[in-house]
Amino acid sequence: AQSVTQLDSQVPVFEEAPVELRCNYSSSVSVYLFWYVQYPNQGLQLLLKYLSGSTLVKGINGFEAEFNKSQTSFHLRKPSVHISDTAEYFCAVRGYGGATNKLIFGTGTLLAVQP
Amino acid sequence: DAGVIQSPRHEVTEMGQEVTLRCKPISGHDYLFWYRQTMMRGLELLIYFNNNVPIDDSGMPEDRFSAKMPNASFSTLKIQPSEPRDSAVYFCASRPDGADTQYFGPGTRLTVL
Repeated sequence: AQSVTQLDSQVPVFEEAPVELRCNYSSSVSVYLFWYVQYPNQGLQLLLKYLSGSTLVKGINGFEAEFNKSQTSFHLRKPSVHISDTAEYFCAVRGYGGATNKLIFGTGTLLAVQP
Repeated sequence: DAGVIQSPRHEVTEMGQEVTLRCKPISGHDYLFWYRQTMMRGLELLIYFNNNVPIDDSGMPEDRFSAKMPNASFSTLKIQPSEPRDSAVYFCASRPDGADTQYFGPGTRLTVL
């Protein structure tokens, strides 16, 4: 089974500042990792994903994340945030190599960008 | 493509009433997922289908909840009878076979009074 922990429920940050949203996972098998973003009153939208290969993955809107297998982490970063980045961000994990199609989501982190 | 379509977008009902939520997945997608999102429990997978067949319904909270997929372009999630604790946003998502990304609908916000 897999689980995801997002320790920060809310991250306030000023516009143009850098931000890191933390995600740690637990799994007994190899995993795929995802970050989804949810803007107010909308569904979830894929931001980026790690399947294999380079541990640094780049996504939409200038976000990137680094897969760290030894620390079982997949933190999301952006060097300079905009007001429009205000949204809820969800880390998710899916095991592979087994009979599972489930995405397991973390509890989400609200990124609040202030002017 | 229109994306995943859900209806209604908002539903307000009284305790004890039957509620039916609807989802149209993206054409050609073989997998369909139903999720529930609450402040307390976050985003939970309720059930998913592959080629219209329910594969895993272990997340369905209780017998009051049921889901069907009569064809490849339509699914329903029914709650009967509804209770105030069912108030949540319900999302439908779909993906093609062999793909790793799920595509989410805009959700249905359910309020049970």
